[in-house]
Amino acid sequence: DTGVSQNPRHKITKRGQNVTFRCDPISEHNRLYWYRQTLGQGPEFLTYFQNEAQLEKSRLLSDRFSAERPKGSFSTLEIQRTEQGDSAMYLCASSLAPRLAGSDTQYFGPGTRLTVL
Amino acid sequence: QKEVEQDPGPLSVPEGAIVSLNCTYSNSAFQYFMWYRQYSRKGPELLMYTYSSGNKEDGRFTAQVDKSSKYISLFIRDSQPSDSATYLCAMIPGGTSYGKLTFGQGTILTVHP
Repeated sequence: DTGVSQNPRHKITKRGQNVTFRCDPISEHNRLYWYRQTLGQGPEFLTYFQNEAQLEKSRLLSDRFSAERPKGSFSTLEIQRTEQGDSAMYLCASSLAPRLAGSDTQYFGPGTRLTVL
Repeated sequence: QKEVEQDPGPLSVPEGAIVSLNCTYSNSAFQYFMWYRQYSRKGPELLMYTYSSGNKEDGRFTAQVDKSSKYISLFIRDSQPSDSATYLCAMIPGGTSYGKLTFGQGTILTVHP
């Protein structure tokens, strides 16, 4: 399978614990996005990487959240001191920057479902 | 008020029906419009992509964009039970160098045999 992969698929943790999620994008894609989706809502943008550079962070990404993309390949999203409000599906998407002006096509992974007890 | 509004449904139709899904938006800067399909416990899958106003057809799916009304639609012809999913509209402003998607809430569609 050459699509976007995310691990783990499910994570249950207790409030106050730290969690880390991993995203492996499609191999030639240089752009990587993280989104968060709560039940009954559409995904909300969290952050964006072009290669290894993190170029935008949403206001939704509090100081407890940190994302990295070392060497411009896989990415990790860490949440420190988890809260019950962090319970959501965390989605990763990747894309290839288009040669011409216009938007890129994002391919989503299956997501990591986080439950904070 | 959210930038993108979408009726969450749920919408239930018989097999073979024509389905109409809609979104409205408030940000006139949106130039790129997408429809994603999301099956339960899966990531969204891109169905249709259109730039600015107009129609685009792909098999049983037709996407329409009316920028003057800030209104987009997705039509599904000859709907099948396998079309049962959540349909998400998504948009990106023009002039941006990357694709920060703004999604609607999603419409839950069930096609029953």
